[in-house]
Amino acid sequence: DVKVTQSSRYLVKRTGEKVFLECVQDMDHENMFWYRQDPGLGLRLIYFSYDVKMKEKGDIPEGYSVSREKKERFSLILESASTNQTSMYLCASSSSRRLGDYEQYFGPGTRLTVT
Amino acid sequence: EDQVTQSPEALRLQEGESSSLNCSYTVSGLRGLFWYRQDPGKGPEFLFTLYSAGEEKEKERLKATLTKKESFLHITAPKPEDSATYLCAVRDQTGANNLFFGTGTRLTVIP
Repeated sequence: DVKVTQSSRYLVKRTGEKVFLECVQDMDHENMFWYRQDPGLGLRLIYFSYDVKMKEKGDIPEGYSVSREKKERFSLILESASTNQTSMYLCASSSSRRLGDYEQYFGPGTRLTVT
Repeated sequence: EDQVTQSPEALRLQEGESSSLNCSYTVSGLRGLFWYRQDPGKGPEFLFTLYSAGEEKEKERLKATLTKKESFLHITAPKPEDSATYLCAVRDQTGANNLFFGTGTRLTVIP
């Protein structure tokens, strides 16, 4: 079974703090993604990565950065947390080795509250 | 721009009362339509991928179908454990590996 793990289930941080969210997958997937999920807005893509050290902006990258130093690990960084970044953060991974094999597998999520 | 609209936003069913959830999409060249189930406070769980109009896939009480403009998730004789939010997502022909998600249908099955 594909397993995607996230470093924390719940996190409370103060405004202005630097926040690191970590994601690890054990299926040797090339692609990794960070989303945030808010009521009424659905899942919105923040950043994604096709390979080690590669990153691409998603739909809402402002206020975030990412790091992918190893294939299995993808980190989301909030440089200076703000209250409007309070959300559920979801990491996902997928393979593109087989034609058509693009379904994404999600981690359990991190509920971040910024006060 | 890709667009995915799911309806209804919320659905309450009696146990055993079959129904369907709808996912309408506008995408430049569909390269896959994906259904997920999400339980409260958890990450989405992959259910199905559909690639071409006319395709159908089944898993237990769920059956997903696809036309050129929409997909349906049919739930036959639902049980309370089927209560969850069901998400639909599409991948387009740009070749990107990212998916575009709808906002989901929240299903409640009452015993």
